[in-house]
Parts: sequence; C-alpha cells; structure tokens
Amino acid sequence: DQQVKQNSPSLSVQEGRISILNCDYTNSMFDYFLWYKKYPAEGPTFLISISSIKDKNEDGRFTVFLNKSAKHLSLHIVPSQPGDSAVYFCAASAQGGSEKLVFGKGTKLTVNP
Amino acid sequence: DTGVSQDPRHKITKRGQNVTFRCDPISEHNRLYWYRQTLGQGPEFLTYFQNEAQLEKSRLLSDRFSAERPKGSFSTLEIQRTEQGDSAMYLCASSDTSAMNTEAFFGQGTRLTVV
Repeated sequence: DQQVKQNSPSLSVQEGRISILNCDYTNSMFDYFLWYKKYPAEGPTFLISISSIKDKNEDGRFTVFLNKSAKHLSLHIVPSQPGDSAVYFCAASAQGGSEKLVFGKGTKLTVNP
Repeated sequence: DTGVSQDPRHKITKRGQNVTFRCDPISEHNRLYWYRQTLGQGPEFLTYFQNEAQLEKSRLLSDRFSAERPKGSFSTLEIQRTEQGDSAMYLCASSDTSAMNTEAFFGQGTRLTVV
C-alpha cells in the first residue's frame, strides 16, 4: 500500500515560472513531512520540511504547504531555475520525524531555459 | 567532510556472491537508516538503528540481508547469495533524534549491479 503518493511522474515548466509539486498521504499518524531533491547517481538532498502543527513553511524560493484535512502537501518553487531540474521526493514520518521516512515515487521536474 | 559517507560507490558482483557495504554517519548522529532505491521508485525502507540497537526491519527484507552497527558509529549491510533482483542503489542516512523534527541526511549511495 502506497502511504505517500506523488501522482505526477513528471513536470515541465519554463524558467522564471512557478513549479508546484504535489503529494498526498494516507496515514494519519504522519506528523512530519519533508521534500528531498535528487540528481542521478547521487543520494537525496534535504530541501525543506514542515511539521503538522504548521500549514506553511518558507525557505527562500521554496515553500511547502500542508493541508492536514485533505492529507495533502505541495512544494512551490518560485522562480524556477534550470538548476532546479531534478527528481523531487516527498517523504513523511510519524512521531515528529523520529520514525522511519516513507517516500513517494518522486516527480521529475524539468525547468526549461 | 562531515556528511554521510558510503563505501563503495559502485559494486558489480556475480549472482550468488556475498557483498558488504559500509556507511559512516554524521558524527554523533544516533539514528542510522538503510534504504534501497530502484529505478522509478522512491527510497524503500530496509532497517534502522538507534545507536547500536537495530529497532526495526522491513518485513519485506529477505533473510539474506543483515545489518550491523556494532559500536553505534559506522554500519555495515551484507547481502548473502546475491540475486539479480538485488540490483539497486543502497542508501544510508543518519539523523539526530535528540531534537524533534530533524531531517535525515543521506549519503551518496552504493550502486549494486548483480550479473
């Protein structure tokens, strides 16, 4: 059973525009959510996270929104840059992040110059 | 370099051979995880340690897989009698659970190819 779902395998946007990556989860015990960025042949790199006590967290060009009632989160990248092209994974954990991370299948973002 | 280090980066082995991977976590991180990633999938949880104690193993983990973290520092993951289906990227991550809401940091991974 897929507890964390990223339903868009790929997304293509123009440089300078907004990229919106979506993620849904089913386990109501999840209370900590993270986004990782991954380049080919490298390990995932932490990008941004959000606790379930918040509905928004910003870090520079990256903002994560959490809608607990819908069990949905999204990552916004504004403005998008070609260097943002990578695979983005949504991950979730219970007990404030002290439990194992459960990952989605990823969304491949391509930012075109 | 104070990041998570994995060795080797690449391993090609013949089916039926045993392989062992090593992970050195970030210093003083008490939690260490092993994940496996195949093409088109997200990282899949294998097992994790709190210091030297192995707290959880995935029920999907074959008994050919074993992991240790003998002194609560580095960890090894061994796969016995490798099969072609074991070909994947093996990822190690570490975190400090003394604080709430802390992220896990991943190493570069070990790419295993079983021929």
